[in-house]
Amino acid sequence: QKEVEQNSGPLSVPEGAIASLNCTYSDRVSQSFFWYRQYSGKSPELIMSIYSNGDKEDGRFTAQLNKASQYVSLLIRDSQPSDSATYLCAVSGRALTFGSGTRLQVQP
Amino acid sequence: SAVISQKPSRDICQRGTSLTIQCQVDSQVTMMFWYRQQPGQSLTLIATANQGSEATYESGFVIDKFPISRPNLTFSTLTVSNMSPEDSSIYLCSVEMGEYASYQETQYFGPGTRLLVL
Repeated sequence: QKEVEQNSGPLSVPEGAIASLNCTYSDRVSQSFFWYRQYSGKSPELIMSIYSNGDKEDGRFTAQLNKASQYVSLLIRDSQPSDSATYLCAVSGRALTFGSGTRLQVQP
Repeated sequence: SAVISQKPSRDICQRGTSLTIQCQVDSQVTMMFWYRQQPGQSLTLIATANQGSEATYESGFVIDKFPISRPNLTFSTLTVSNMSPEDSSIYLCSVEMGEYASYQETQYFGPGTRLLVL
C-alpha cells in the first residue's frame, strides 16, 4: 500500500517569500510525481510534474525530486496571496495516490 | 489538457435514493477514474473505468454501491446507490492523458459534483 505523507499545515508565509512544501512517499518503485493545487470549493489543478531526480522549474514553481530519499518538494518563489490554497502531492502507480495536502496561506 | 465536464455540479438528495453523476471529456481517453473527497480530506480513488471492460474497484468500494458505466472513450457515469449522509462528499472524475511537452501520462480532473445527503 502506497503512502504519501505531507505536513497538513497551515504553512503561513509573507507575500514575496519562498514557500517550501514537502512530501515523502513509501513506494520505492514510484516513477512519476505530481503537485496539484486545490482552491477551496474547486477541483485539483495540476501545477507541476516531475519524473527524474533533480529540479524542474516552471515560472515561480520549482519541483525537486530525490528518489533515494523518497522525497519530493515544491518551492513557490515570490509567493502571492493568490497562491493561498491546499497543495496536494500525488505519486503514480496503477492510479494516483494522494497525500493529505498542505494548506498554504500567503499573508499580504 | 482535456476539457472535462461533470453533471450535476451539485445536488441535495434524500437518504435511500440514488444519484448518477456524468463525466464527459472532449477527447478520447482510455483511462478514466472516479475519486471521492470527503469534507476536509484528500482524494480517495473509488474505481478505474476503462472502456470495454468492467471497472476496477479499490478496497472499501463495491459495485453494488457505486456502479460505473463506460460506454465509450469520452463518457462515464458513477451512480451512488442507496445513499446515506456518510456519502456526502465531492465526487471527481479524472482522465489520464499525455502531458503537454513531456507526453508523460498525467491525470486531469473534472470540476466535481458536490453531493449532500440528508
